[in-house]
Amino acid sequence: NAGVTQTPKFQVLKTGQSMTLQCAQDMNHEYMSWYRQDPGMGLRLIHYSVGAGITDQGEVPNGYNVSRSTTEDFPLRLLSAAPSQTSVYFCASSYEGGDEQFFGPGTRLTVL
Amino acid sequence: AQSVTQLDSQVPVFEEAPVELRCNYSSSVSVYLFWYVQYPNQGLQLLLKYLSGSTLVKGINGFEAEFNKSQTSFHLRKPSVHISDTAEYFCADGGSNYKLTFGKGTLLTVNP
Repeated sequence: NAGVTQTPKFQVLKTGQSMTLQCAQDMNHEYMSWYRQDPGMGLRLIHYSVGAGITDQGEVPNGYNVSRSTTEDFPLRLLSAAPSQTSVYFCASSYEGGDEQFFGPGTRLTVL
Repeated sequence: AQSVTQLDSQVPVFEEAPVELRCNYSSSVSVYLFWYVQYPNQGLQLLLKYLSGSTLVKGINGFEAEFNKSQTSFHLRKPSVHISDTAEYFCADGGSNYKLTFGKGTLLTVNP
């Protein structure tokens, strides 16, 4: 099992550009989520999904979009990048929402 | 809304000394509690979890935590730390709404 994979590992964007962060898991987990990690802030939930076709907002959803067309994939879209979105982004999955979450290696995003 | 408070943002200790990292949670209903570790430039890895049963939970790398319902605490302990334990540690609460809420993290630095 590859577990949770994320691409790219690093990305630099200019303000206003859009991009998609990819996340995939091969554990047949129903629950997937996206977090951003900023110094001194811990991890904050952006969006989550409890199964294919179902998504919901987390704590900091503004400026981000998600979809869940398959169990395996949960991409995160930045619609118009802003410097405030400079962060490290982690994708995670679990069998159910409150259970142990398995994390990907992260994507370090810089918006200039 | 549930919250998790990690009382120390940084904990410096000497090698082979005992350590306690403190965590308080706010959920008033059934809780799922976790400790994760993040080594530099890596994703999060589960150290241990409390779902139910014995209040003393043992995890990987010699860590253990004790669930205390009356004090709403879930402190992490290790009797003797190593240089390799230097990392950031996150407490998280699965709470009642099946979404993980993370504390802001404690940076453990083990000095020789």
